[in-house]
Amino acid sequence: NAGVTQTPKFQVLKTGQSMTLQCAQDMNHEYMSWYRQDPGMGLRLIHYSVGAGITDQGEVPNGYNVSRSTTEDFPLRLLSAAPSQTSVYFCASSYSGRVRPDGYTFGSGTRLTVV
Amino acid sequence: AQTVTQSQPEMSVQEAETVTLSCTYDTSESDYYLFWYKQPPSRQMILVIRQEAYKQQNATENRFSVNFQKAAKSFSLKISDSQLGDAAMYFCAYRSASSNTGKLIFGQGTTLQVKP
Repeated sequence: NAGVTQTPKFQVLKTGQSMTLQCAQDMNHEYMSWYRQDPGMGLRLIHYSVGAGITDQGEVPNGYNVSRSTTEDFPLRLLSAAPSQTSVYFCASSYSGRVRPDGYTFGSGTRLTVV
Repeated sequence: AQTVTQSQPEMSVQEAETVTLSCTYDTSESDYYLFWYKQPPSRQMILVIRQEAYKQQNATENRFSVNFQKAAKSFSLKISDSQLGDAAMYFCAYRSASSNTGKLIFGQGTTLQVKP
């Protein structure tokens, strides 16, 4: 089925460990982005991409890296996990230009716990 | 910078009644999009309704409708004939129409409880 595939769904890390959250879409969307969701703060933008080879920082980029070598994939890397990175992470994608009626497509989220 | 504010952390409604969730935003732009997303316990983000700022007519989707007040920068969501399945967290979100980044700006969220 067309959509955004985000893995893993759950992850527990120890402080200092690194990991990569995977995000893949098969809709040929130009825009892809990563958000983190924390209680009382809504979803905040970590990094985003407007196309293959082009990425930029969002509101809360510290401690995270991204790359976009293909249109389909947009992985998020935690370099050295910290308890402050305990959160739920969402990948989202959309077409560029004016927003279409179906808006954005979100992945199913990753609940990350750093101990 | 644009901001989105949802001032109601929690709301409750009796089944079959009507409830309104509030959202205000701040922007200096005239062309933008506003969204309401529903997040049930499954965590999935589901688009409920969207509004284009240049359209004066309020968007509706079945039992869901918005009251879009552009001058007041207000975008409330009305849920009519509330159902148990409407219980979820609801997020208001903004996107600039002139943006070439696709960035969404979210409010803090409102948790809606539906009482049988």
